[in-house]
Amino acid sequence: GAVVSQHPSRVICKSGTSVKIECRSLDFQATTMFWYRQFPKQSLMLMATSNEGSKATYEQGVEKDKFLINHASLTLSTLTVTSAHPEDSSFYICSAITTDTQYFGPGTRLTVL
Amino acid sequence: AQSVTQPDIHITVSEGASLELRCNYSYGATPYLFWYVQSPGQGLQLLLKYFSGDTLVQGIKGFEAEFKRSQSSFNLRKPSVHWSDAAEYFCAVGAGQGGKLIFGQGTELSVKP
Repeated sequence: GAVVSQHPSRVICKSGTSVKIECRSLDFQATTMFWYRQFPKQSLMLMATSNEGSKATYEQGVEKDKFLINHASLTLSTLTVTSAHPEDSSFYICSAITTDTQYFGPGTRLTVL
Repeated sequence: AQSVTQPDIHITVSEGASLELRCNYSYGATPYLFWYVQSPGQGLQLLLKYFSGDTLVQGIKGFEAEFKRSQSSFNLRKPSVHWSDAAEYFCAVGAGQGGKLIFGQGTELSVKP
């Protein structure tokens, strides 16, 4: 099946710093990628839809200036958590769309101290 | 409102026993239904999906699910559980094969030896 990677898998940062998370489709091109957030023992909540070559579409309640999304190529989308705070600590998961299926990355564990 | 409900937060079954995980959905249009499995600290793996046709769908790892429109349900079943099936299971609904998904709260499965 199709493979989606995320980098880094785990990151620890200080409060106030920015963190960039990469999502790559390794063996297919994806015009659309999604970014989800998952709190411990909870479900995945969609944050935004990332479209190649255009602005991301954010879900209600998600701060677009806080969570910057860039989809610069058909195989790469990045999520930058700006001025991170402890409440941003979470598991971030991306997914990429092929013609008929959504494939998920392995996730990135962000811990903000 | 669009939603997915997984009534059971945690289920424990004995190895070799049968399993059924419940999923109910509320969706305005024709639903595309999915079951995913997530191992600790990992991304999501697609078990099976239903779009149309035969309401009993077969997936990977011996799982199957049955779509019941009258009950707005899409329950996941496995006739004989293996210890390696212990994981978190998510039911999801979407507008299409490659669209954004709404996830249920998840059901954590534990398997007793």
